[in-house]
Amino acid sequence: RKEVEQDPGPFNVPEGATVAFNCTYSNSASQSFFWYRQDCRKEPKLLMSVYSSGNEDGRFTAQLNRASQYISLLIRDSKLSDSATYLCVVNQAGTALIFGKGTTLSVSS
Amino acid sequence: DAGVTQSPTHLIKTRGQQVTLRCSPKSGHDTVSWYQQALGQGPQFIFQYYEEEERQRGNFPDRFSGHQFPNYSSELNVNALLLGDSALYLCASSSLGGRRGTAPHFGNGTRLTVT
Repeated sequence: RKEVEQDPGPFNVPEGATVAFNCTYSNSASQSFFWYRQDCRKEPKLLMSVYSSGNEDGRFTAQLNRASQYISLLIRDSKLSDSATYLCVVNQAGTALIFGKGTTLSVSS
Repeated sequence: DAGVTQSPTHLIKTRGQQVTLRCSPKSGHDTVSWYQQALGQGPQFIFQYYEEEERQRGNFPDRFSGHQFPNYSSELNVNALLLGDSALYLCASSSLGGRRGTAPHFGNGTRLTVT
């Protein structure tokens, strides 16, 4: 089983749609969780950290379920500019980031 | 405040050659990690440096080596290049040994092509 697994995608949605990405991780000792966004041929950029209580940043909501080892990202009111690859990332304290393969989102007008 | 900077941006090498990639961490960061990202894949961890020591290493052969300098900058060296080494190489920096909750920042990456 891979350490971090994401929905295969790609997700093709119209502007204004709500889209959800799911991610599972295998190491129960993981302590930190993030969603990164990566545009084509660019470096990953931090979208948001993920906390057990859930957190929201504008149109983006992240949830963590430690018991199920499951992380989600919800994007409401999708914009054309949201088109990118979304990477689910986990790590233990002070260790390397473990990335999922990423899920590609394409928002069309 | 400069972010993470990497050089060069692009590089073309032939099989068997050696390459050195460079990274300067974000101001205030002391930990540097290197990742390899092949097309269509997520970044794969190569190794991490803190206090000039390799602290953790991923599943990469000894052909991949690195160094961290007193100013926290870092180099990644790859010897005996293979075609499969063609990828985007990303450097990420973080603070205080990458302690829990600190989200690393990435540089723009170096795109290496091996022919």
